[in-house]
Amino acid sequence: DAGVIQSPRHEVTEMGQEVTLRCKPISGHNSLFWYRQTMMRGLELLIYFNNNVPIDDSGMPEDRFSAKMPNASFSTLKIQPSEPRDSAVYFCASRVSNGNTIYFGEGSWLTVV
Amino acid sequence: DAKTTQPPSMDCAEGRAANLPCNHSTISGNEYVYWYRQIHSQGPQYIIHGLKNNETNEMASLIITEDRKSSTLILPHATLRDTAVYYCIFLNRDDKIIFGKGTRLHILP
Repeated sequence: DAGVIQSPRHEVTEMGQEVTLRCKPISGHNSLFWYRQTMMRGLELLIYFNNNVPIDDSGMPEDRFSAKMPNASFSTLKIQPSEPRDSAVYFCASRVSNGNTIYFGEGSWLTVV
Repeated sequence: DAKTTQPPSMDCAEGRAANLPCNHSTISGNEYVYWYRQIHSQGPQYIIHGLKNNETNEMASLIITEDRKSSTLILPHATLRDTAVYYCIFLNRDDKIIFGKGTRLHILP
């Protein structure tokens, strides 16, 4: 099993640019979660999907953030326009809907300058 | 908000047992206790989970009190590689999964 796969692993971008983070969940998992981690705020849940449908996006910081899950094997988190305060590690995680254990990817390290 | 309470940091000597406590006084009957850890620069890693009974696997043991309001994660023979932040969470199948600040465990040589 390849685990949860995220890309890019590292990205440095200029303020105002669009950033797209990608996630491939574990095959057969039908819940997907996006988290953001910073030193100040710890690990924050941004949004989660069940069966490709967004269930709760109350953690999404503002309209500059959007997430999609067009199919069971792919999700994106987009920031447009990006700002320096968006610099963080973004984690994707997945689980089967009738199970509890969630599995995390290795994260995407974003730096906005 | 996170629904668990953990000490912010702990030290443990290498080779000794590390006992990490967690309070979850608002847990309900169908909610599992889960433990994850995060080693620097990596994603959180599943360790163990339990509902009512004590559990043991190749990584750790989980002791849950009879009233289920608290639990202890035990790493029986801590090594330097166990230095990490340890998160205690509880969830049922439909919960969005909220992490608290966790416990930063330092293993001392």
